[in-house]
Amino acid sequence: GAVVSQHPSRVICKSGTSVKIECRSLDFQATTMFWYRQFPKQSLMLMATSNEGSKATYEQGVEKDKFLINHASLTLSTLTVTSAHPEDSSFYICSARTSGGYQETQYFGPGTRLLVL
Amino acid sequence: SQQGEEDPQALSIQEGENATMNCSYKTSINNLQWYRQNSGRGLVHLILIRSNEREKHSGRLRVTLDTSKKSSSLLITASRAADTASYFCATDGGAQKLVFGQGTRLTINP
Repeated sequence: GAVVSQHPSRVICKSGTSVKIECRSLDFQATTMFWYRQFPKQSLMLMATSNEGSKATYEQGVEKDKFLINHASLTLSTLTVTSAHPEDSSFYICSARTSGGYQETQYFGPGTRLLVL
Repeated sequence: SQQGEEDPQALSIQEGENATMNCSYKTSINNLQWYRQNSGRGLVHLILIRSNEREKHSGRLRVTLDTSKKSSSLLITASRAADTASYFCATDGGAQKLVFGQGTRLTINP
């Protein structure tokens, strides 16, 4: 099956710093990637939809200047949490959708746990 | 916003028993998918059922979909300890976005 990786898997940073999270589709091309945030014991909340070569589409209530998304290639999307604060501490998960054939299934990365001190 | 509501929120059963989880949604859908998430890990896709399908099987998994009631169920038969995880339904309304339910935390007791 399709594999999606995320890096890093865990990051701890000081308040005010920026953190970059990478999402890669390892064995397929993904024209669309999605970024989710998940708080403990809660469901996944979609933050933004990232299309290769174009600006990301953000969900209502998600600050685009705080959560910078770049989808520079068909296999890589990055999420940068700028000026991180403790309330940004969460589990961030990306997913990728294949560009060919039946596009219904999203393949999820293993997630990145962010802790802002 | 989360349109999927799942029940129960938590389910604890003995190994070997069957586990049933339910999901309800509010808007029209193209398909509904079920995912599993082990604690602190990413999501694993289990099964997809399209809006014109009523039932689907995959191994020990059985999914039903009732579009008139806007609900779906996931049945895991002959449960195993390794099935302990959170299970989420997600609906695809056609805008390329998945909307996830709140999830059911399933615990299989040995």
